[in-house]
Amino acid sequence: ETGVTQSPTHLIKTRGQQVTLRCSSQSGHNTVSWYQQALGQGPQFIFQYYREEENGRGNFPPRFSGLQFPNYSSELNVNALELDDSALYLCASSLALGGEDTQYFGPGTRLTVL
Amino acid sequence: GEDVEQSLFLSVREGDSSVINCTYTDSSSTYLYWYKQEPGAGLQLLTYIFSNMDMKQDQRLTVLLNKKDKHLSLRIADTQTGDSAIYFCAETGSGYSTLTFGKGTMLLVSP
Repeated sequence: ETGVTQSPTHLIKTRGQQVTLRCSSQSGHNTVSWYQQALGQGPQFIFQYYREEENGRGNFPPRFSGLQFPNYSSELNVNALELDDSALYLCASSLALGGEDTQYFGPGTRLTVL
Repeated sequence: GEDVEQSLFLSVREGDSSVINCTYTDSSSTYLYWYKQEPGAGLQLLTYIFSNMDMKQDQRLTVLLNKKDKHLSLRIADTQTGDSAIYFCAETGSGYSTLTFGKGTMLLVSP
């Protein structure tokens, strides 16, 4: 059973640029959630995808968008990067069964915006 | 709204027990989780408890839940230096089975 993987590990961008982060979910999982973790803070929910459809969104602007593919892998896209977007971006996968829905996290992508 | 509060720092000596506390506000939470984060790493699931349980034990870890007071604790027995990390409490609120996290408790274990 493979765990959640994310790429790239680290990324440096400048303000105004666009970035795409990638996540491969754990084998057998159909749901992917993305979180932003600023330095010294707990992770904040960005959005969740279930079977290729957005299934909920946190308090993030529309320039944060995502996709989920038929193999349940996922992308997070951020347009018009701002300095405050610098953070660790975490992807978590789970198997939504309507009850216990434990999320398993990947190692994260560290994004630095200059 | 949903909110999760944790104390920010705990320091213990190796071999002692550690108790990390958490309070939450969402009474509809069905599952409560503890995650561990080592420096520069992602989150590792430690354990979770269903909201109709009072206690769950898993090897060195004991989770206590007081649903009336919305208080959750994680006890680590025989704490080791390898337990030094940030510990996050998280709840599943109503809706999409998303997680709401506290700011984390940094546990420092000294030899």
